Amino acid sequence: DVKVTQSSRYLVKRTGEKVFLECVQDMDHENMFWYRQDPGLGLRLIYFSYDVKMKEKGDIPEGYSVSREKKERFSLILESASTNQTSMYLCASNSGGGVADTQYFGPGTRLTVL
Amino acid sequence: SQQGEEDPQALSIQEGENATMNCSYKTSINNLQWYRQNSGRGLVHLILIRSNEREKHSGRLRVTLDTSKKSSSLLITASRAADTASYFCARGGTSGSRLTFGEGTQLTVNP
Repeated sequence: DVKVTQSSRYLVKRTGEKVFLECVQDMDHENMFWYRQDPGLGLRLIYFSYDVKMKEKGDIPEGYSVSREKKERFSLILESASTNQTSMYLCASNSGGGVADTQYFGPGTRLTVL
Repeated sequence: SQQGEEDPQALSIQEGENATMNCSYKTSINNLQWYRQNSGRGLVHLILIRSNEREKHSGRLRVTLDTSKKSSSLLITASRAADTASYFCARGGTSGSRLTFGEGTQLTVNP
C-alpha cells in the first residue's frame, strides 16, 4: 500500500514564524503535491514537484515555497506565517508520466497561526 | 468557477437509501476521479473513469461520465452510516499531472 505521511497532524505557530511542513512518500513516486483546504473553497494547489529539485507553482503559491532534495520528501515552507495561512494542508503523490493519475494523500496537517 | 461545480453541496439521507452526487466541469479531460474524505482526514481515492468510458462500477459505487455534457455522477447504493463523509470530484486534464478538485459534497447518512 502507498503510504504518504506528514510530519504533524496539528501545528500552532505565531505570526511571523518560519514554518516547515514535511511530507514523505514510500512508493518512489515522481510527483508530489501540496494543497490547502478551506471551507467552501475545496482543495487548492499551492505547489507541485515532478522530480527532485524541480517545482512548479500551483494556483496559490504566494507566501509559500517548497523544497525537494530527495525523491521521497517534499517540504512546504511558510517563510513568515500569517493568520490567513491558517488552514488544513494536504500532501499527495502519484507516479509520473505526464498523466493525471490517482493521487495518494497524507492525513493532513491542521495549521493554526495566531 | 474554473474548477467546475459539484452538487448538491450537502446531502442528508437515511441508511439504505441511494445517494447521488453530481460534478460538472468546463474544459477537456483525460479522466475524472472521485475521492472521499472523512472529517479532518486526508482524501482517499475511490474510482477513476477515463474520458472514453461512460460508466464504471466498484462495489456499491457507480460512476457515469457524459463528456458531451461535461458532467459526471457518483451513485452510492444502499448507503450506510459509515458512508458519511465529504466526496470530491477531481478533473485530470489532457496534459500534465495536475488534478483540479471540486468543492465537494458533504454526505450525511442517518442510521
